[in-house]
Amino acid sequence: EAQVTQNPRYLITVTGKKLTVTCSQNMNHEYMSWYRQDPGLGLRQIYYSMNVEVTDKGDVPEGYKVSRKEKRNFPLILESPSPNQTSLYFCASSSDRNNQPQHFGDGTRLSIL
Amino acid sequence: AQKVTQAQTEISVVEKEDVTLDCVYETRDTTYYLFWYKQPPSGELVFLIRRNSFDEQNEISGRYSWNFQKSTSSFNFTITASQVVDSAVYFCALSEAWDDKIIFGKGTRLHILP
Repeated sequence: EAQVTQNPRYLITVTGKKLTVTCSQNMNHEYMSWYRQDPGLGLRQIYYSMNVEVTDKGDVPEGYKVSRKEKRNFPLILESPSPNQTSLYFCASSSDRNNQPQHFGDGTRLSIL
Repeated sequence: AQKVTQAQTEISVVEKEDVTLDCVYETRDTTYYLFWYKQPPSGELVFLIRRNSFDEQNEISGRYSWNFQKSTSSFNFTITASQVVDSAVYFCALSEAWDDKIIFGKGTRLHILP
């Protein structure tokens, strides 16, 4: 079954404690991306990746890092989380650059206290 | 700069009514892609359609149809004979061909009342 898997689904943590949200897809897709969803603001793209070792900033990259060492994985790293990063995060993948995002993970709800 | 406006924040209709969700976009690029996504109350995001800027044909998929009009920079989504299961937040999005970024509208929350 085609899947994008995010972990964890929920996380409550404290300011400044580094965290990583993992994202993995089993469709051999080249394109992967991260989004955050906030009330009244809709979805905003954080980072995207066109292929292994190729990443670029989306609309709201500040405070986030990503890496793409393997095609299937695209982790989102918060080196020093702050309360304004409390949000619902989605990872997505797609087969081609102009059809993204196509498949989404189930979302990760992060609360930074 | 690219921009997507979904002016309707929330819409409520009675089941079986037709409803149209508006999407107006701004772009300076001549080649671009438009998308619609659905987010039901369970929270997952579902891709509905992609349309490229060179294809102005309207698309129909069952009770769903999309009207793309470059002259008015609009990509509206109509649900015919709405059903309670259509209740969701719907997002319109735009991606320019030269750039891999995507911009979403703020979404329209649709309530279908039984």
